[in-house]
Amino acid sequence: DTEVTQTPKHLVMGMTNKKSLKCEQHMGHRAMYWYKQKAKKPPELMFVYSYEKLSINESVPSRFSPECPNSSLLNLHLHALQPEDSALYLCASSQVVSYNEQFFGPGTRLTVL
Amino acid sequence: GENVEQHPSTLSVQEGDSAVIKCTYSDSASNYFPWYKQELGKRPQLIIDIRSNVGEKKDQRIAVTLNKTAKHFSLHITETQPEDSAVYFCADLKAAGNKLTFGGGTRVLVKP
Repeated sequence: DTEVTQTPKHLVMGMTNKKSLKCEQHMGHRAMYWYKQKAKKPPELMFVYSYEKLSINESVPSRFSPECPNSSLLNLHLHALQPEDSALYLCASSQVVSYNEQFFGPGTRLTVL
Repeated sequence: GENVEQHPSTLSVQEGDSAVIKCTYSDSASNYFPWYKQELGKRPQLIIDIRSNVGEKKDQRIAVTLNKTAKHFSLHITETQPEDSAVYFCADLKAAGNKLTFGGGTRVLVKP
């Protein structure tokens, strides 16, 4: 299995809702990532997990809360989001050692009303 | 700084012609330079990459060159085809933390 999967594909939520994005990979990768991509822009790194521990938080607002329950799963918990948080949220995974390809999931298209 | 500058932002070429995209990075600690292709509504996919100890790499119609002294790297696509139409992102990676920083992207249109 050489794919990263993400659910849901689309999510519409209000500013008072709590929702979660899920990401899964079975390639044995021990590094997992969350990126945010706005229309016509490059992906922007949000969080990096290495060996299930948070190693990088790119000063992301606390309304985004990542979680890595095991080596195959990565979640992003959302609470009290703003309309400007609407974007494509991409998950990726790779081997921890550098020089390795990051494999991206198809993304979750999030709309905050 | 940690920026990756990418040019041009849009590129229109005739089918069969070559396309060249250039990127500049600023961090001497960068040691890995991947190129991703993202078709409309799809995920970014790696098309070629190069490590800092290599000057050039080729894979069929795609090649990447790296000039570490000048902190430049470039993507070359030869014999372009309509299916090459997409947004291309360069990126650099710092070994510490596996942090990937993307350039602004180049929208390539190959006209039949």
